[in-house]
Amino acid sequence: EAQVTQNPRYLITVTGKKLTVTCSQNMNHEYMSWYRQDPGLGLRQIYYSMNVEVTDKGDVPEGYKVSRKEKRNFPLILESPSPNQTSLYFCASSLSVTNEKLFFGSGTQLSVL
Amino acid sequence: GENVEQHPSTLSVQEGDSAVIKCTYSDSASNYFPWYKQELGKGPQLIIDIRSNVGEKKDQRIAVTLNKTAKHFSLHITETQPEDSAVYFCVPSGGYNKLIFGAGTRLAVHP
Repeated sequence: EAQVTQNPRYLITVTGKKLTVTCSQNMNHEYMSWYRQDPGLGLRQIYYSMNVEVTDKGDVPEGYKVSRKEKRNFPLILESPSPNQTSLYFCASSLSVTNEKLFFGSGTQLSVL
Repeated sequence: GENVEQHPSTLSVQEGDSAVIKCTYSDSASNYFPWYKQELGKGPQLIIDIRSNVGEKKDQRIAVTLNKTAKHFSLHITETQPEDSAVYFCVPSGGYNKLIFGAGTRLAVHP
C-alpha cells in the first residue's frame, strides 16, 4: 500500500532534549516536506527536499533540522526543543516538486514541557 | 512572497445544502490548484485539483472552479452529507518549491 509513515504518533518530551521524528515513503517520491499545524494558523511548511541531499527552508525553519540521505526517508530533528515547538507535525511527499498531489502521513503530536 | 487567503473560516450547513469555499492567491505563476480535506485526527487528503489550462472540474458532488484572471479558485460541495464535515485547505502552487496553505475552512454539516 502506498503510504507515508511517521513515527512516533505521540511524543511528550522536556525542553532541551534532542528528538527525531521519522518519515518514510514507499512511492519513490522525489519531493518530501515537513509541516506544523497550530490552531488558527493552518499548516506551515518547515523544510522541504526536492531530492536526495537537496533540502531547503520553508516558512518556519527555526529550531529544526532535516536530512535526506536516502530517497525514502526524511527525518525531522529538534536539537533543543522548546515549548513553542509544541504542535502537530505532518510529513508529506509527492512525485516531483510542487504541482503534484501531496500524500500526508498521519501526524505526530509533540508536547514539549 | 505568496499570499493565500481562504474564506470563510467556518461554515455551517444543513445536510443536503451546498457549500462553497473560496481561495484567493497572489502568485501569478501558480498553475496547480488543489483542495485537501482533513478529518479529525488524520492527515490532509487530496479531494480534487485543477490545473491552469482548465476552468472547472467536477467529481460527483465535488467541483473546483478557477478564475486565473482574478486569482481565485473555489471548492463546491453539493448535497452535503455529515461525512463532509472536516477542515478544507487550498494550496495553490507552481511558481516556487515552497508551499503556502490557506488557513483552512471548518465545515460542519448538520443532519
